[in-house]
Amino acid sequence: KNEVEQSPQNLTAQEGEFITINCSYSVGISALHWLQQHPGGGIVSLFMLSSGKKKHGRLIATINIQEKHSSLHITAPHPRDSAVYICAVRGRGSTLGRLYFGRGTQLTVWP
Amino acid sequence: ETGVTQTPRHLVMGMTNKKSLKCEQHLGHNAMYWYKQSAKKPLELMFVYSLEERVENNSVPSRFSPECPNSSHLFLHLHTLQPEDSALYLCASSQRHIALSNSPLHFGNGTRLTVT
Repeated sequence: KNEVEQSPQNLTAQEGEFITINCSYSVGISALHWLQQHPGGGIVSLFMLSSGKKKHGRLIATINIQEKHSSLHITAPHPRDSAVYICAVRGRGSTLGRLYFGRGTQLTVWP
Repeated sequence: ETGVTQTPRHLVMGMTNKKSLKCEQHLGHNAMYWYKQSAKKPLELMFVYSLEERVENNSVPSRFSPECPNSSHLFLHLHTLQPEDSALYLCASSQRHIALSNSPLHFGNGTRLTVT
């Protein structure tokens, strides 16, 4: 079992439909990252958070440390948001600095 | 433009070939990484270089050989690969080794490798 689990694996949405991607992890963490991977392969960092909530444009990321869970929301998604979204956590303690990655969620947004 | 450039973007090679992947970063970072991404699997860390010294080698087969001649360049030399080595190989860099800080990773666009 992977230390980081994402759901759903695939997500299809209509343009403008609010979507949520979930991430659960089983290790102690110092930070959680949400990454976006476009079809060409390149990965960009969307958020790094260790508590609470962050917002950037139409993207919102939340984390609940006690429940070891994070969500990525996209309000009013656009077809250009179609990509793979990857959750990654940075370990702490004995696993300090190690990054654990989820398998990713493929989001497809239709016009 | 992420500041991390990988070449080539695509590579097809036979099992007896020798080829190299190249990564260059223009961000002044001190740590560089090779990751392997196979279909439906999480990213797998292969190698880490910090200040041009290899600090991590995650049980990678010897048919993969990294080289870091300076802090801006990273190579992955490939020889006698197997078809199961076909994957997307991603290079990344960070200001400091992620074991020492929360420096974000900056990824290149990857090299899509197919071994026939």
